[in-house]
Amino acid sequence: IAGITQAPTSQILAAGRRMTLRCTQDMRHNAMYWYRQDLGLGLRLIHYSNTAGTTGKGEVPDGYSVSRANTDDFPLTLASAVPSQTSVYFCASSEASGRTDTQYFGPGTRLTVL
Amino acid sequence: AQSVTQPDIHITVSEGASLELRCNYSYGATPYLFWYVQSPGQGLQLLLKYFSGDTLVQGIKGFEAEFKRSQSSFNLRKPSVHWSDAAEYFCAVGSNYQLFWGAGTKLIIKP
Repeated sequence: IAGITQAPTSQILAAGRRMTLRCTQDMRHNAMYWYRQDLGLGLRLIHYSNTAGTTGKGEVPDGYSVSRANTDDFPLTLASAVPSQTSVYFCASSEASGRTDTQYFGPGTRLTVL
Repeated sequence: AQSVTQPDIHITVSEGASLELRCNYSYGATPYLFWYVQSPGQGLQLLLKYFSGDTLVQGIKGFEAEFKRSQSSFNLRKPSVHWSDAAEYFCAVGSNYQLFWGAGTKLIIKP
């Protein structure tokens, strides 16, 4: 079982370019999440999805969009990248969206915007 | 508002020594508390969690944590650390659909 896969592993991107980070899970979890991790700030939630077909905004959603067309995939799109979006991005999933559910994390994507 | 504070940015301990990582939270209702570990270049893995009941929670890799409501704390402990415990540790509190995270404590092990 792979769990959660993310692609690409790392990316250097010019400011203003569009970028989609991919996330796929094979655990049939209902809920999925996108976080960014910045030094000294821990993880901050960007967007989440409680179930296929629904999405919601987290703590820092500006400049990002998501979609959840099916259970397994939860891509994160930066429509026009800016240097402040340089970060490590983690996708996570949980069986349900309650606050007691364990979240399982992918290996992360390191994104640098120049 | 919900928040999590990990007062120590990094901690250095000798291999075989005991460890305590601090976590303080602010939350208006019954907290659901988690500790996760992140090894270098890896995603996060759950160590343990507290929802209710016994305030001393056992986790994987020999870790335990104690919930103290009066102190709003959920400190992580291990009686004897191993070099493989070197990692970053994150405390989180669950609220509705999301977790709120501390900034993390980096654990450095001296040989």
